[in-house]
Amino acid sequence: TAGITQAPTSQILAAGRSMTLRCTQDMRHNAMYWYRQDLGLGLRLIHYSNTAGTTGKGEVPDGYSVSRANTDDFPLTLASAVPSQTSVYFCASSANPAGARSEKLFFGSGTQLSVL
Amino acid sequence: GENVEQHPSTLSVQEGDSAVIKCTYSDSASNYFPWYKQELGKGPQLIIDIRSNVGEKKDQRIAVTLNKTAKHFSLHITETQPEDSAVYFCAASRANTGNQFYFGTGTSLTVIP
Repeated sequence: TAGITQAPTSQILAAGRSMTLRCTQDMRHNAMYWYRQDLGLGLRLIHYSNTAGTTGKGEVPDGYSVSRANTDDFPLTLASAVPSQTSVYFCASSANPAGARSEKLFFGSGTQLSVL
Repeated sequence: GENVEQHPSTLSVQEGDSAVIKCTYSDSASNYFPWYKQELGKGPQLIIDIRSNVGEKKDQRIAVTLNKTAKHFSLHITETQPEDSAVYFCAASRANTGNQFYFGTGTSLTVIP
């Protein structure tokens, strides 16, 4: 089924270690996003990409980096994980960036990350 | 930036009753208001959305209303069923701001059979 694939589905990570969360979409969407979901805080935007080759910072970018080498892939990297990065991470995409006509977000199934 | 508040945080209703979830937003320039349903262990999924040039939109048992003057919008689910049990998120965005969707903190809806 077409959509967004995230990997891994869950991970336990020691503090100080690095990790890359993978995200691939097959809908040829221009825009992609990374959100973190924390209880009581809803979904918060970490980084986004309007199109391949460009990225931007969201609401909570510190401690995370992204790249967009092509249309389909948008990996999220934690260079040196800290316990406060324990969260559920969702990758999403939309045909065009927010503000354009087709803003509907399509989400992946999420990655549960625990940093100990 | 935009601030979206969502109430209630939890809601329990009897099967067949109606459920209403309310959101307020702060940025009067916001013009797109989607609602997402998140089932356990899954990512959020768009269920209905409304743009600022429309006051109400309906899709079978769900409807969304928008009051631009008061800056609030609501999700209405009628004839609730157990499969409606999920977490619901509202969001707001506006044109020409880059890529920011501002989400509410979510409402956990439980439909009691």
